[in-house]
Amino acid sequence: GAVVSQHPSRVICKSGTSVKIECRSLDFQATTMFWYRQFPKKSLMLMATSNEGSKATYEQGVEKDKFLINHASLTLSTLTVTSAHPEDSSFYICSASKLAGAYEQYFGPGTRLTVT
Amino acid sequence: KNQVEQSPQSLIILEGKNCTLQCNYTVSPFSNLRWYKQDTGRGPVSLTIMTFSENTKSNGRYTATLDADTKQSSLHITASQLSDSASYICVVSQITGGFKTIFGAGTRLFVKA
Repeated sequence: GAVVSQHPSRVICKSGTSVKIECRSLDFQATTMFWYRQFPKKSLMLMATSNEGSKATYEQGVEKDKFLINHASLTLSTLTVTSAHPEDSSFYICSASKLAGAYEQYFGPGTRLTVT
Repeated sequence: KNQVEQSPQSLIILEGKNCTLQCNYTVSPFSNLRWYKQDTGRGPVSLTIMTFSENTKSNGRYTATLDADTKQSSLHITASQLSDSASYICVVSQITGGFKTIFGAGTRLFVKA
């Protein structure tokens, strides 16, 4: 159990367009979901934490208008990169936790975003 | 400052050999420590999770140790396989009214035939 999926796994988009990434917990209800960004050969950087039904909490330096997060249900969270630019190209990973907080996080396989 | 430092940054070993990865942390108050394996282009996969009272935990050929007094953890890999080539990330959670998670930079392990 505790499988998390992400869709799409890879996406290429043109500069100025918006891209939506989905994160789903397949076999459990996720009270809390996390979104991370990872640059090559670097560790994960937490972007935001979201609890179902409430607004996401963004980390310092992360633009909430740029990275829109919606956690509409206990099994689905979405990250929308608005007006994407080449510097937004990165590996985006979500994780989900069964309980409030981050005691045990189950990670998705990641989404590679390339903005041309 | 809450930090998680891992060493070495990278490591090359021959297939079949053992290796040990280190994780030192200054996170307080401590909640739990987790080791993850991350293959290139994939999300992290949990190997072990330990709370304050646990000294060691095994998962197949992976054995993690925790010394909460010295704030050190290690991940020992026995009889390495080519598929062990990956990044190994140490993650420490802190209780601060809620949970806060601090990631180490990871150790990149290369297993050669």
